[in-house]
Amino acid sequence: NAGVTQTPKFQVLKTGQSMTLQCAQDMNHNSMYWYRQDPGMGLRLIYYSASEGTTDKGEVPNGYNVSRLNKREFSLRLESAAPSQTSVYFCASPRSGSAYNEQFFGPGTRLTVL
Amino acid sequence: GQSLEQPSEVTAVEGAIVQINCTYQTSGFYGLSWYQQHDGGAPTFLSYNGLDGLEETGRFSSFLSRSDSYGYLLLQELQMKDSASYFCAVRGVENSGYALNFGKGTSLLVTP
Repeated sequence: NAGVTQTPKFQVLKTGQSMTLQCAQDMNHNSMYWYRQDPGMGLRLIYYSASEGTTDKGEVPNGYNVSRLNKREFSLRLESAAPSQTSVYFCASPRSGSAYNEQFFGPGTRLTVL
Repeated sequence: GQSLEQPSEVTAVEGAIVQINCTYQTSGFYGLSWYQQHDGGAPTFLSYNGLDGLEETGRFSSFLSRSDSYGYLLLQELQMKDSASYFCAVRGVENSGYALNFGKGTSLLVTP
């Protein structure tokens, strides 16, 4: 039972390049989230998906797109990376029965945009 | 909206007790959670308070006062491995997918 997995763990991009961050969960929960973490800023919600096939914007969605193709997987895409998107990205999903208060996080993707 | 305030840094000695405070402002309240994050790692869940009072989990305890919009995390018998960042968080409402809203984190340094 891996919980939440993410790939890749590290990535370096040049400005304008694109990439997709992958996330998968095996807890069979409907909800999944993408957060970014910057020094001194805590974690901020980029996008969320309340169920398969649905996605909605969070606090900082500009420059990102997401896809929820099935219950397990929720991907985050940067179409044209910018240095301001240098950050650590975490995918998360709640533990069933926790009323969404207990969330499991993936190991993170450390992205640098040059 | 929601906002959470916690100290940015705390330093304590191995074996001691430390308290990390969190005050919050939120239009709807569904409980206060605490997460631990070691450098280079992912946040991991520590505790949750939905009602007023103290919750104890081993060396860690968490307290909530809803009337004061205040909570704290208490770490006892500090160990070097407790050096990490600690985040308080409140759960959002349905139109945010019940996502967590985090404070900016408290960096705890445990010294010998």
